[in-house]
Amino acid sequence: IQMTQSPSSLSASVGDRVTITCRASHGISSYLAWYQQKPGKAPKLLIYGASTLQRGVPSRFSGSGSGTDYTLTISSLQTEDFATYYCQQFNSYPITFGQGTRLEIK
Amino acid sequence: QITLKESGPTLVKPTQTLTLTCTFSGFSLNSDGVRVGWIRQPPGRALEWLALIFWNDEKRYNTFLNDRLTLSKDTSRNQVVLTMTNIGPVDTATYYCAHSDSATWYSFDYWGQGIPVTVSP
Repeated sequence: IQMTQSPSSLSASVGDRVTITCRASHGISSYLAWYQQKPGKAPKLLIYGASTLQRGVPSRFSGSGSGTDYTLTISSLQTEDFATYYCQQFNSYPITFGQGTRLEIK
Repeated sequence: QITLKESGPTLVKPTQTLTLTCTFSGFSLNSDGVRVGWIRQPPGRALEWLALIFWNDEKRYNTFLNDRLTLSKDTSRNQVVLTMTNIGPVDTATYYCAHSDSATWYSFDYWGQGIPVTVSP
């Protein structure tokens, strides 16, 4: 299953609302996770099951979607949110990631 | 508290076999539903899933690597070992191991710090 993220990069300001989209080439039954990765660090799980917030992740992050189309929304960007975000599907093998969305400060 | 840490060589010559070890704590790979996966990330590029080993010793591999991968586990030592044969420059990447279980729908909820591997003569 191919995972296509959009946009591939995004410039935004602190306080902005940001949405990142992930489209699967086939339905994935909400077996979708979102990760945040900062330079030189391992990815961090933000959301699993398409919409469940991992414990300890701020509530400004949210996920939604079903079937083939999923979104990650950050309601009010904070400085620490500038990073690269990846979606990942677990519905079938091989497990696949999106190509990433780089979120930069405007 | 779940932790994982990758270890192994950071410089490998082409055609050699790469052996990486993931040493973990805070969970048992004998527990129902638990998995450990390997993911890599070439410099400046996206994450690529490589392989997954299950609590019951089932294994899954990414077929794009054409049978170059082998996984094994040593539950008494809390380790998972990944071997990759016939290494080439395209295998230069940071390699991560990660924990997965049913509590988070089998997403990778805990990751090691990663180990950078360079393939060069």
